[in-house]
Amino acid sequence: KAGVTQTPRYLIKTRGQQVTLSCSPISGHRSVSWYQQTPGQGLQFLFEYFSETQRNKGNFPGRFSGRQFSNSRSEMNVSTLELGDSALYLCASSLASQGTYGYTFGSGTRLTVV
Amino acid sequence: AQSVAQPEDQVNVAEGNPLTVKCTYSVSGNPYLFWYVQYPNRGLQFLLKYITGDNLVKGSYGFEAEFNKSQTSFHLKKPSALVSDSALYFCAVRDVQSSASKIIFGSGTRLSIRP
Repeated sequence: KAGVTQTPRYLIKTRGQQVTLSCSPISGHRSVSWYQQTPGQGLQFLFEYFSETQRNKGNFPGRFSGRQFSNSRSEMNVSTLELGDSALYLCASSLASQGTYGYTFGSGTRLTVV
Repeated sequence: AQSVAQPEDQVNVAEGNPLTVKCTYSVSGNPYLFWYVQYPNRGLQFLLKYITGDNLVKGSYGFEAEFNKSQTSFHLKKPSALVSDSALYFCAVRDVQSSASKIIFGSGTRLSIRP
């Protein structure tokens, strides 16, 4: 079966702009979680959506938001981009909420803010 | 609060030798524990998990991990390393008892296998 698909793979944006990243989970998976990966901070949890509801949220400013659609696809939005938002953004899909039995990750979206 | 620590930033092993990547955790209840591997410019790949049962868990690519409750550890091991095992390895934990918990990841250990 198809894996977790993240689009786009690479993105370059200017400070102050906004960006939307997309994630299509494995078919049948209702949970989608988002992580930010940077060399200095490692993997930081952003939020989790399960059946279109946000179940959990990490310690990120309100500029970071997300949503999940009825087909389980999820989008993440970052407004008013800052240089420090440059990172690899990873989407993880799971059958159960909170990744109880483990995640399947997408290849990520590499966001560069200039 | 839950936390996970990987005390070694880098582990260097000769091909054919056994390898160990260390992980310790802290949760208030019982843990779910995971190991993931990341290759350059890719997402994380699942290696193995401990949910309950046998303390020795076998996973993908010949890796295994041992859950040690008294030492709160979940070290990743492989009897004979391959050059292709060189990658970034992450340990992760989730507190079973907390309904609001999430999976958190360690800082990662870079494994380098020399020919």
